[in-house]
Amino acid sequence: GAVVSQHPSWVICKSGTSVKIECRSLDFQATTMFWYRQFPKQSLMLMATSNEGSKATYEQGVEKDKFLINHASLTLSTLTVTSAHPEDSSFYICSATWTGALGNQPQHFGDGTRLSIL
Amino acid sequence: GESVGLHLPTLSVQEGDNSIINCAYSNSASDYFIWYKQESGKGPQFIIDIRSNMDKRQGQRVTVLLNKTVKHLSLQIAATQPGDSAVYFCAENPNNDMRFGAGTRLTVKP
Repeated sequence: GAVVSQHPSWVICKSGTSVKIECRSLDFQATTMFWYRQFPKQSLMLMATSNEGSKATYEQGVEKDKFLINHASLTLSTLTVTSAHPEDSSFYICSATWTGALGNQPQHFGDGTRLSIL
Repeated sequence: GESVGLHLPTLSVQEGDNSIINCAYSNSASDYFIWYKQESGKGPQFIIDIRSNMDKRQGQRVTVLLNKTVKHLSLQIAATQPGDSAVYFCAENPNNDMRFGAGTRLTVKP
């Protein structure tokens, strides 16, 4: 249980292109989804937290106009990298969780999207 | 949020031996902890969690120990296998401002 699907797994595109990444919770309703960025051999860096039906909360230093997040349903969140440039190349990972009656629940992660901007 | 850190960046063990990965946390109010495993090119995978009303929790070949007095968390892997090679992260209070530490890279030698 608690499967999170992320699509696409690889994207290669030209500079200036906008790229959309989807994150879906397949077998549970995700009240909260998270978007992370990870550089090679480094830890995950939280970019934003997204609650269904409300605006995402961005971490300090993350441009909200650059990284558009939509969480329109309890099973889908999207991250759009607008006008992507080579410095946006990275590994983007989403996670999802829900609020349980027993308290905090773990985040469950997708398998990430490798974004390469030429 | 307050930091969650790891004691050792790398750990190398012989196949079949037990592995112990340590984690220190600084937020004494944390009441929920998780261990994740991340293989190369993949997202973190949930391994095991523990709430602060427990000191120990066991899963399949894994045990998590929580010492709230010294704010220390450990993951024990029994009979380590080559498939256990990965980076392991601990996390606290995942719904609230979760931060990953640098992680510990576990390498299993045949």
